Amino acid sequence: AQSVTQLGSHVSVSEGALVLLRCNYSSSVPPYLFWYVQYPNQGLQLLLKYTSAATLVKGINGFEAEFKKSETSFHLTKPSAHMSDAAEYFCAVSRGRGTYKYIFGTGTRLKVLA
Amino acid sequence: GAGVSQSPSNKVTEKGKDVELRCDPISGHTALYWYRQSLGQGLEFLIYFQGNSAPDKSGLPSDRFSAERTGGSVSTLTIQRTQQEDSAVYLCASSLRLAGDRTDTQYFGPGTRLTVL
Repeated sequence: AQSVTQLGSHVSVSEGALVLLRCNYSSSVPPYLFWYVQYPNQGLQLLLKYTSAATLVKGINGFEAEFKKSETSFHLTKPSAHMSDAAEYFCAVSRGRGTYKYIFGTGTRLKVLA
Repeated sequence: GAGVSQSPSNKVTEKGKDVELRCDPISGHTALYWYRQSLGQGLEFLIYFQGNSAPDKSGLPSDRFSAERTGGSVSTLTIQRTQQEDSAVYLCASSLRLAGDRTDTQYFGPGTRLTVL
């Protein structure tokens, strides 16, 4: 069975500091991995996705994530936090090959301090 | 429309009442999904529609929940005899699901916040 674990339900960083949001997965088959962002009162927006091509994936708004099979991780990073990055971030895994069922993590709420 | 739309944005109901939540997917998207987002939890898959195929209802938590999709477009999620534990944000998503597409991005609507008193 697949699962996703997001460490830290709340993360605070100072504006301009590194953002690191952790995601570990378990999957019996090579996974496809996703990061979504949810701003207040909005739906989820895709930040980036890993589809077994390059292990370092670049997304929108300066975010990137690295797939590390040995660590079963797909952590999300951004070199310099901006106030507008404050939101909730969700990691998700699917079995790949277009399988429609995503398994979502419980989310990490990012707070950016001025 | 440009994105997935859902209505109402907020719904407050009394325990025992029935509610209907509506989802308008992105035009041309053949796949439609419903998820439930409860406080402090991730998104829970409820149901999936793909074209004219029988829907995958494996995520529906009880027989009080049902959904339909008319004409391959608009979908309605119905909850009968609502309970307090049904209070959550209900999210709808749609995707293209093109044949041979190895990844299929789901696009989400803003959700309907359901509160059962």
